Parts: sequence; structure tokens; C-alpha cells
Amino acid sequence: DAGVTQSPTHLIKTRGQQVTLRCSPISGHKSVSWYQQVLGQGPQFIFQYYEKEERGRGNFPDRFSARQFPNYSSELNVNALLLGDSALYLCASSLSIGTGRNEQFFGPGTRLTVL
Amino acid sequence: AQKITQTQPGMFVQEKEAVTLDCTYDTSDPSYGLFWYKQPSSGEMIFLIYQGSYDQQNATEGRYSLNFQKARKSANLVISASQLGDSAMYFCAMREANQAGTALIFGKGTTLSVSS
Repeated sequence: DAGVTQSPTHLIKTRGQQVTLRCSPISGHKSVSWYQQVLGQGPQFIFQYYEKEERGRGNFPDRFSARQFPNYSSELNVNALLLGDSALYLCASSLSIGTGRNEQFFGPGTRLTVL
Repeated sequence: AQKITQTQPGMFVQEKEAVTLDCTYDTSDPSYGLFWYKQPSSGEMIFLIYQGSYDQQNATEGRYSLNFQKARKSANLVISASQLGDSAMYFCAMREANQAGTALIFGKGTTLSVSS
């Protein structure tokens, strides 16, 4: 079975531009979460979607938005890019949301560089 | 306040030795889950082990075990018989039951270097 896939692998943008990152979850997984990992830090939670509805949002500005499609894939959009948005963006999928083990499986990430 | 604290920026161990990576957490929620992930230089986060707050026994997964001390709020990862392929960044993470969804809160990580 295929794992979580993300595209593109790498991306270079300039300040002020907009970017869209894509994620396909593991087959059968209905929840997708997005994380931002700045170099040398742990991942920080941005969004979680379950059954196409936003179920959680981290402490990120409104320039960050996301959506989940009927096939459970997801897009993360970032507008008006800043230099500080340069990071590895990780997508994770899980079967559902809620307590218990319900581990999240991560994709390889999209490395975004803002110049 | 940091919810997950990993105080060891880097750890060094020789092949076949055991190593303990420290993690302390802070929560007032009685129901929570603790996770450890491994991140090789390729960037992908690999799930290693899970411990639920109500689990009576320490979790084990192959060479990985979790030393869970609830009263001290610590969840240290023990890797037995280290291998060269264990060289990576290791993150401790927590999920609280009272959070919307199942967002993970990560620590800053510990870099493990295994030498031959």
C-alpha cells in the first residue's frame, strides 16, 4: 500500500507570492493534518481536517488556509509569503480523529524556500 | 510554557549499546497519548512507539521501549542494541484528549549519532 504522498518535493518562491501544497493520505484514512517544521525545531501543528471539515487549527495567521476534498486528499495554501515561511511542510494522515493510539503517518514533506 | 521538553540536543552512542532519550511533558488533561517519532535526514517522520496515559504497562515495540513515569510526567525512549541506522533526529510528541481533533505537540527533538 502506498504511504502518504506530497507534492511538490521542493519549491522556491519569492516574498509576496502564493503557494499550494498537496497531500494524498493513505488509502482508507479520512483525516489529514498539516505541520510546519522550521529547521532545527519540531513540527508545529497548522490544520487538521476530517471528513472535509476543519477539526483543528494551530496558531498560524490567516494567510494559511487548507481544504480537504471528497477523496480525502488535501491542499495547504499560503498567501503573501514571508521569508519566515521557509520550512518543511509535513502532511500526516490517520484513520480518524479522537483519542487512543490513532497514530499519524507522515509523508516525506515539501521543502519550501522563500527568497 | 513548553508542553514537551527534550533537554538533550544531541546524544552519542556506540553500536550495540543501549541509549535513553529523555522527554518530559506538561498537561492537566488526565487523558493523553505520548508518541515517539524518528526523523532521518530524508525528512520523513517515522512512528516508533505509543503510550496512553491510562496504560498500566510500559510500551514496547521491538528494540524500542518507553519508560513511562506518570507522576514525574516523563516518557523516555529506550533504544536497545543501537544500530548505525538509528542515527537520526528523535521527537517526543503528545496528544491531549481535550484538543479539537488529534493534533500532536512536538518537542524540539534530540539528535542521536551512532558510531561503529
